[in-house]
Amino acid sequence: KNQVEQSPQSLIILEGKNCTLQCNYTVSPFSNLRWYKQDTGRGPVSLTIMTFSENTKSNGRYTATLDADTKQSSLHITASQLSDSASYICVVRRLNYKLSFGAGTTVTVRA
Amino acid sequence: DAGVIQSPRHEVTEMGQEVTLRCKPISGHDYLFWYRQTMMRGLELLIYFNNNVPIDDSGMPEDRFSAKMPNASFSTLKIQPSEPRDSAVYFCASSVVRGSYSTDTQYFGPGTRLTVL
Repeated sequence: KNQVEQSPQSLIILEGKNCTLQCNYTVSPFSNLRWYKQDTGRGPVSLTIMTFSENTKSNGRYTATLDADTKQSSLHITASQLSDSASYICVVRRLNYKLSFGAGTTVTVRA
Repeated sequence: DAGVIQSPRHEVTEMGQEVTLRCKPISGHDYLFWYRQTMMRGLELLIYFNNNVPIDDSGMPEDRFSAKMPNASFSTLKIQPSEPRDSAVYFCASSVVRGSYSTDTQYFGPGTRLTVL
């Protein structure tokens, strides 16, 4: 069973709208949680990295939240643009550097 | 900086052949990672190195896979013999890590798309 679950699997939104992606994990002991954006045919690019003591972190129009107690994270995209169309991957790192990957959420932004 | 460089970008080979993928990490980075990505399994960490030494190879699927890092600026991932189920995109990434709670940013290369016929 995957220790990092992402939802939804995919979503379609209109340009300019907001959306929120979810990541639930059971990984322990927890070190940090990362959100990556992966454009089609390219390598993942880091958006945010949060440790257990951080509740929120922003990177432009991307805002990630973390609740280490409930082991939930979200990635909020504000005022979406066509260039936000991509896969978004949640990755949780243990203290021993073991990484657990979510399956990703595919976001499609339509004009 | 040119970022992480991988070669080749695309590789098509026949079952049973040896395949060698290459990676040049970002200068100054002391960690190097090899990943595999497929539609079915998503992104998987195969192996990672610290200062050219393999630290964890538990993600390597079989003995057919091997990885080396002879120096700080070069690494290879070899598959011998290759099989159709090895078809995937293989990414190399590098980072600088400091401590257990390090929030290191991994920089990924463009990937090598491997097709084994």
